[in-house]
Amino acid sequence: AQSVSQHNHHVILSEAASLELGCNYSYGGTVNLFWYVQYPGQHLQLLLKYFSGDPLVKGIKGFEAEFIKSKFSFNLRKPSVQWSDTAEYFCAVTWDAAGNKLTFGGGTRVLVKP
Amino acid sequence: AAGVIQSPRHLIKEKRETATLKCYPIPRHDTVYWYQQGPGQDPQFLISFYEKMQSDKGSIPDRFSAQQFSDYHSELNMSSLELGDSALYFCASSTRQGYEQYFGPGTRLTVT
Repeated sequence: AQSVSQHNHHVILSEAASLELGCNYSYGGTVNLFWYVQYPGQHLQLLLKYFSGDPLVKGIKGFEAEFIKSKFSFNLRKPSVQWSDTAEYFCAVTWDAAGNKLTFGGGTRVLVKP
Repeated sequence: AAGVIQSPRHLIKEKRETATLKCYPIPRHDTVYWYQQGPGQDPQFLISFYEKMQSDKGSIPDRFSAQQFSDYHSELNMSSLELGDSALYFCASSTRQGYEQYFGPGTRLTVT
């Protein structure tokens, strides 16, 4: 079965630090890749997505992600975080061969200290 | 912009009772997905509908059923509730299959 893994369960950093969250997925053909953010007590919001084309995608709130096909990775980055970026971040994948359901990674809780 | 609407937002039920969760997709979205997020877990896919037909099925218990109606809203029916069904239930919608999914605020179900 296809799977998604996120490298870190918890990340703590200070404001203005750079953030990189790792995400790897299992092989299964053509994929569509997403990063969602869940602020405390809120629903999942789409940060960015990759379907095809330029492997470096830019999303909302200054986030970007890079698709590296050879490494089955889709890492999320932000050059300078703010306290308001405290949230849980989920990498999610759909495989064209497996329907359109999202398979999520385990999530990474990010705490940004002011 | 209009978002996905879910009702109720909170629901408390006792074991063996039934519950019905409702989802109203973003206008012109014809695909609806249901996910279950247990405490401290990532969302798990339950079931999806495209143009009122079931399009995919995940780890949905046989005690649960769902359908999509002619106005594209969807209902998740849960019977013989168990303590383990306590979770946040998200609905998501998309314009068509394979495109980005937009999530609703969720229904928090507590089974006592």
